[in-house]
Amino acid sequence: TQLLEQSPQFLSIQEGENLTVYCNSSSVFSSLQWYRQEPGEGPVLLVTVVTGGEVKKLKRLTFQFGDARKDSSLHITAAQPGDTGLYLCAGAAGNTGKLIFGQGTTLQVKP
Amino acid sequence: DAGITQSPRHKVTETGTPVTLRCHQTENHRYMYWYRQDPGHGLRLIHYSYGVKDTDKGEVSDGYSVSRSKTEDFLLTLESATSSQTSVYFCATDTGTQETQYFGPGTRLLVL
Repeated sequence: TQLLEQSPQFLSIQEGENLTVYCNSSSVFSSLQWYRQEPGEGPVLLVTVVTGGEVKKLKRLTFQFGDARKDSSLHITAAQPGDTGLYLCAGAAGNTGKLIFGQGTTLQVKP
Repeated sequence: DAGITQSPRHKVTETGTPVTLRCHQTENHRYMYWYRQDPGHGLRLIHYSYGVKDTDKGEVSDGYSVSRSKTEDFLLTLESATSSQTSVYFCATDTGTQETQYFGPGTRLLVL
Protein backbone atom coordinates (compact mmCIF):
# COMPACT_ATOMS: atom_id res chain seq x y z
CA THR A 1 0.00 0.00 0.00
CA GLN A 2 1.37 3.38 -0.98
CA LEU A 3 1.39 5.96 1.80
CA LEU A 4 2.25 9.63 1.98
CA GLU A 5 3.35 10.98 5.34
CA GLN A 6 2.85 14.69 5.72
CA SER A 7 4.48 16.78 8.45
CA PRO A 8 3.84 18.71 10.50
CA GLN A 9 0.12 18.09 10.91
CA PHE A 10 -0.45 21.47 12.58
CA LEU A 11 1.48 24.71 12.31
CA SER A 12 0.67 28.02 13.96
CA ILE A 13 2.98 30.91 13.13
CA GLN A 14 3.12 34.68 13.11
CA GLU A 15 2.72 36.74 9.97
CA GLY A 16 6.05 37.22 8.23
CA GLU A 17 7.61 33.92 9.31
CA ASN A 18 8.79 31.25 6.89
CA LEU A 19 7.67 27.63 7.01
CA THR A 20 8.17 24.30 5.28
CA VAL A 21 5.76 21.40 4.95
CA TYR A 22 7.07 17.96 4.07
CA CYS A 23 5.51 15.06 2.22
CA ASN A 24 7.39 11.74 2.35
CA SER A 25 6.91 8.24 1.05
CA SER A 26 8.83 5.04 0.46
CA SER A 27 7.06 4.73 -2.90
CA VAL A 28 7.86 6.39 -6.20
CA PHE A 29 5.17 8.59 -7.70
CA SER A 30 4.84 9.61 -11.34
CA SER A 31 3.81 13.08 -10.20
CA LEU A 32 2.96 14.89 -7.02
CA GLN A 33 0.36 17.55 -6.47
CA TRP A 34 -0.22 20.12 -3.74
CA TYR A 35 -3.72 21.30 -2.89
CA ARG A 36 -5.02 24.00 -0.57
CA GLN A 37 -8.39 23.70 1.12
CA GLU A 38 -10.35 26.38 2.96
CA PRO A 39 -13.06 25.57 5.53
CA GLY A 40 -16.33 24.43 3.95
CA GLU A 41 -14.82 24.06 0.49
CA GLY A 42 -13.15 21.40 -1.62
CA PRO A 43 -9.39 21.28 -2.22
CA VAL A 44 -7.99 23.42 -5.03
CA LEU A 45 -4.84 22.50 -6.93
CA LEU A 46 -1.81 24.72 -6.33
CA VAL A 47 0.83 22.92 -8.39
CA THR A 48 1.84 19.63 -10.00
CA VAL A 49 5.49 18.51 -10.04
CA VAL A 50 6.49 15.75 -12.41
CA THR A 51 10.27 15.57 -12.80
CA GLY A 52 12.63 14.43 -10.05
CA GLY A 53 14.44 17.47 -8.63
CA GLU A 54 11.89 19.86 -10.11
CA VAL A 55 11.33 23.18 -8.35
CA LYS A 56 8.29 25.33 -9.02
CA LYS A 57 7.51 28.76 -7.61
CA LEU A 58 4.11 30.31 -7.16
CA LYS A 59 4.63 33.83 -5.75
CA ARG A 60 5.79 33.20 -2.14
CA LEU A 61 5.32 29.43 -2.38
CA THR A 62 8.14 27.14 -3.53
CA PHE A 63 7.49 23.48 -4.30
CA GLN A 64 10.17 20.85 -4.73
CA PHE A 65 9.97 17.24 -5.91
CA GLY A 66 12.68 14.95 -4.59
CA ASP A 67 15.27 13.54 -6.98
CA ALA A 68 13.93 10.02 -6.47
CA ARG A 69 10.28 11.18 -6.83
CA LYS A 70 9.44 9.86 -3.35
CA ASP A 71 9.12 13.12 -1.45
CA SER A 72 8.19 16.75 -1.83
CA SER A 73 8.23 19.97 0.14
CA LEU A 74 6.28 23.20 0.20
CA HIS A 75 8.06 26.30 1.48
CA ILE A 76 6.19 29.52 2.18
CA THR A 77 8.18 32.73 2.55
CA ALA A 78 6.86 35.57 4.69
CA ALA A 79 3.55 33.89 5.47
CA GLN A 80 0.41 35.99 5.49
CA PRO A 81 -2.96 35.44 7.20
CA GLY A 82 -4.42 34.69 3.77
CA ASP A 83 -2.19 31.58 3.62
CA THR A 84 -4.20 30.03 6.45
CA GLY A 85 -5.77 26.73 5.41
CA LEU A 86 -5.28 23.00 5.01
CA TYR A 87 -2.46 21.96 2.68
CA LEU A 88 -2.61 18.50 1.13
CA CYS A 89 -0.05 16.65 -0.92
CA ALA A 90 -1.17 13.91 -3.29
CA GLY A 91 0.83 11.41 -5.28
CA ALA A 92 -0.24 9.95 -8.60
CA ALA A 93 -0.04 6.16 -8.53
CA GLY A 94 1.20 5.13 -11.97
CA ASN A 95 -1.32 5.64 -14.76
CA THR A 96 -4.45 4.58 -12.89
CA GLY A 97 -5.74 8.13 -12.44
CA LYS A 98 -5.93 7.60 -8.69
CA LEU A 99 -4.27 9.90 -6.17
CA ILE A 100 -2.90 8.99 -2.75
CA PHE A 101 -3.33 11.87 -0.30
CA GLY A 102 -1.26 12.78 2.72
CA GLN A 103 -3.01 13.51 6.03
CA GLY A 104 -2.79 17.25 5.49
CA THR A 105 -1.12 20.17 7.29
CA THR A 106 -3.33 22.73 8.97
CA LEU A 107 -1.62 26.12 8.81
CA GLN A 108 -2.68 29.09 10.88
CA VAL A 109 -0.96 32.42 10.26
CA LYS A 110 -1.68 34.98 12.95
CA PRO A 111 -1.59 38.69 12.14
CA ASP B 1 -13.10 25.79 -12.49
CA ALA B 2 -14.95 22.62 -13.41
CA GLY B 3 -18.65 22.85 -12.69
CA ILE B 4 -19.10 20.27 -9.96
CA THR B 5 -22.08 20.28 -7.65
CA GLN B 6 -22.92 17.94 -4.81
CA SER B 7 -26.28 17.32 -3.23
CA PRO B 8 -27.31 17.44 -0.54
CA ARG B 9 -24.72 19.71 1.07
CA HIS B 10 -25.72 18.65 4.57
CA LYS B 11 -27.58 15.59 5.80
CA VAL B 12 -28.48 14.09 9.15
CA THR B 13 -29.70 10.52 9.14
CA GLU B 14 -30.17 7.60 11.47
CA THR B 15 -28.17 4.41 11.74
CA GLY B 16 -29.45 1.71 9.42
CA THR B 17 -31.05 3.96 6.82
CA PRO B 18 -29.87 4.10 3.21
CA VAL B 19 -28.38 7.37 1.99
CA THR B 20 -27.54 8.50 -1.56
CA LEU B 21 -25.24 11.38 -2.35
CA ARG B 22 -25.16 12.88 -5.82
CA CYS B 23 -22.31 14.43 -7.76
CA HIS B 24 -23.02 16.31 -10.97
CA GLN B 25 -20.41 17.71 -13.37
CA THR B 26 -20.77 19.86 -16.47
CA GLU B 27 -17.21 19.44 -17.85
CA ASN B 28 -17.62 16.08 -19.57
CA HIS B 29 -14.67 14.69 -17.60
CA ARG B 30 -14.23 10.97 -17.98
CA TYR B 31 -13.01 10.18 -14.48
CA MET B 32 -15.00 10.76 -11.29
CA TYR B 33 -14.10 9.97 -7.69
CA TRP B 34 -15.71 9.82 -4.28
CA TYR B 35 -13.56 10.58 -1.23
CA ARG B 36 -14.25 10.89 2.45
CA GLN B 37 -12.35 13.34 4.63
CA ASP B 38 -11.83 12.75 8.34
CA PRO B 39 -9.48 14.52 10.76
CA GLY B 40 -5.98 13.06 10.64
CA HIS B 41 -6.67 10.99 7.51
CA GLY B 42 -6.61 13.48 4.67
CA LEU B 43 -8.75 12.31 1.77
CA ARG B 44 -9.41 8.61 1.32
CA LEU B 45 -10.75 7.18 -1.92
CA ILE B 46 -14.03 5.29 -1.64
CA HIS B 47 -14.86 4.45 -5.26
CA TYR B 48 -14.02 5.84 -8.64
CA SER B 49 -15.34 5.68 -12.18
CA TYR B 50 -13.43 5.68 -15.46
CA GLY B 51 -16.49 5.91 -17.68
CA VAL B 52 -20.22 5.30 -17.84
CA LYS B 53 -21.00 2.07 -15.99
CA ASP B 54 -17.28 1.51 -15.33
CA THR B 55 -16.47 1.74 -11.63
CA ASP B 56 -13.90 0.32 -9.24
CA LYS B 57 -13.21 0.22 -5.52
CA GLY B 58 -10.91 2.52 -3.61
CA GLU B 59 -9.20 1.95 -0.27
CA VAL B 60 -12.30 2.38 1.96
CA SER B 61 -15.14 0.94 -0.12
CA ASP B 62 -16.81 -1.34 2.46
CA GLY B 63 -20.42 -0.25 3.11
CA TYR B 64 -20.55 1.94 0.00
CA SER B 65 -21.73 1.39 -3.56
CA VAL B 66 -21.70 3.66 -6.59
CA SER B 67 -23.40 4.01 -9.93
CA ARG B 68 -22.68 6.02 -13.05
CA SER B 69 -25.40 5.82 -15.69
CA LYS B 70 -24.46 9.12 -17.35
CA THR B 71 -21.15 10.92 -17.83
CA GLU B 72 -22.29 13.84 -15.71
CA ASP B 73 -23.65 12.00 -12.68
CA PHE B 74 -21.91 9.81 -10.10
CA LEU B 75 -23.97 8.52 -7.18
CA LEU B 76 -22.63 7.26 -3.87
CA THR B 77 -24.93 5.07 -1.77
CA LEU B 78 -24.48 4.10 1.86
CA GLU B 79 -26.57 0.96 1.91
CA SER B 80 -27.15 0.97 5.68
CA ALA B 81 -25.56 4.01 7.31
CA THR B 82 -23.41 3.57 10.40
CA SER B 83 -21.98 6.14 12.80
CA SER B 84 -18.49 5.42 11.43
CA GLN B 85 -19.66 6.83 8.10
CA THR B 86 -20.15 10.28 9.63
CA SER B 87 -17.77 12.33 7.53
CA VAL B 88 -17.41 14.97 4.85
CA TYR B 89 -17.73 13.47 1.38
CA PHE B 90 -16.08 15.01 -1.66
CA CYS B 91 -16.61 14.28 -5.29
CA ALA B 92 -13.83 14.99 -7.78
CA THR B 93 -13.34 14.76 -11.53
CA ASP B 94 -10.44 14.79 -13.92
CA THR B 95 -9.79 14.25 -17.59
CA GLY B 96 -7.54 11.27 -16.89
CA THR B 97 -4.23 13.06 -17.42
CA GLN B 98 -3.48 13.24 -13.65
CA GLU B 99 -2.75 16.91 -14.10
CA THR B 100 -5.57 18.17 -11.91
CA GLN B 101 -8.46 16.82 -9.92
CA TYR B 102 -11.35 19.24 -9.52
CA PHE B 103 -13.32 18.94 -6.33
CA GLY B 104 -16.91 19.66 -5.47
CA PRO B 105 -17.90 21.65 -2.37
CA GLY B 106 -18.50 18.56 -0.22
CA THR B 107 -21.41 16.96 1.61
CA ARG B 108 -21.36 16.90 5.40
CA LEU B 109 -23.07 13.72 6.62
CA LEU B 110 -23.97 13.00 10.24
CA VAL B 111 -25.20 9.52 11.13
CA LEU B 112 -26.87 9.37 14.53
